[in-house]
Amino acid sequence: GENVEQHPSTLSVQEGDSAVIKCTYSDSASNYFPWYKQELGKRPQLIIDIRSNVGEKKDQRIAVTLNKTAKHFSLHITETQPEDSAVYFCAASRAKLSFGAGTTVTVRA
Amino acid sequence: DAEITQSPRHKITETGRQVTLACHQTWNHNNMFWYRQDLGHGLRLIHYSYGVQDTNKGEVSDGYSVSRSNTEDLPLTLESAASSQTSVYFCASSESPGGSEQYFGPGTRLTVT
Repeated sequence: GENVEQHPSTLSVQEGDSAVIKCTYSDSASNYFPWYKQELGKRPQLIIDIRSNVGEKKDQRIAVTLNKTAKHFSLHITETQPEDSAVYFCAASRAKLSFGAGTTVTVRA
Repeated sequence: DAEITQSPRHKITETGRQVTLACHQTWNHNNMFWYRQDLGHGLRLIHYSYGVQDTNKGEVSDGYSVSRSNTEDLPLTLESAASSQTSVYFCASSESPGGSEQYFGPGTRLTVT
């Protein structure tokens, strides 16, 4: 089955700085790569996704890049704000989602 | 508005008891999923269903079962609860099996004593 590895497990950034989270996947047939954000005590919610026929996608302060050859994809958050503090999960899918272990992001004021 | 709900939100049970967690969605999605969330493991798939009468095992299915008698509901049953099944359980549904957004329920925190 698909194996998704996510790094780092924790990330602390100064407000206004950028945050980058990286994931690798094992199944070269995976074609859908979503990112979920989970605030403390809440449910995971989709923040951005990318498909295998696209190399980069942006939505305001967040962007995702995909390198199919290397089988890795990354989440970039620019101009971080306190409300960006949360756990972020990457996932990869061919027929069903496999999630990374998560990254706890803390934005320091 | 369409939604996905879970009940109960919190449950404490004893080792060996049978427990059923409910999941109900009004999105009219064929695809439904159960995950457990444990620190350091992210979200791990327990069981999933692509439609009525269809059920499939995920990566951590031992000790769990599901049934799908209608589109809206996918109850998760722990046949004989074990302390290792203490976790937060999330139900989710999606329009397509693996290539679209999954909408998660609010979660059920289960403690097995």
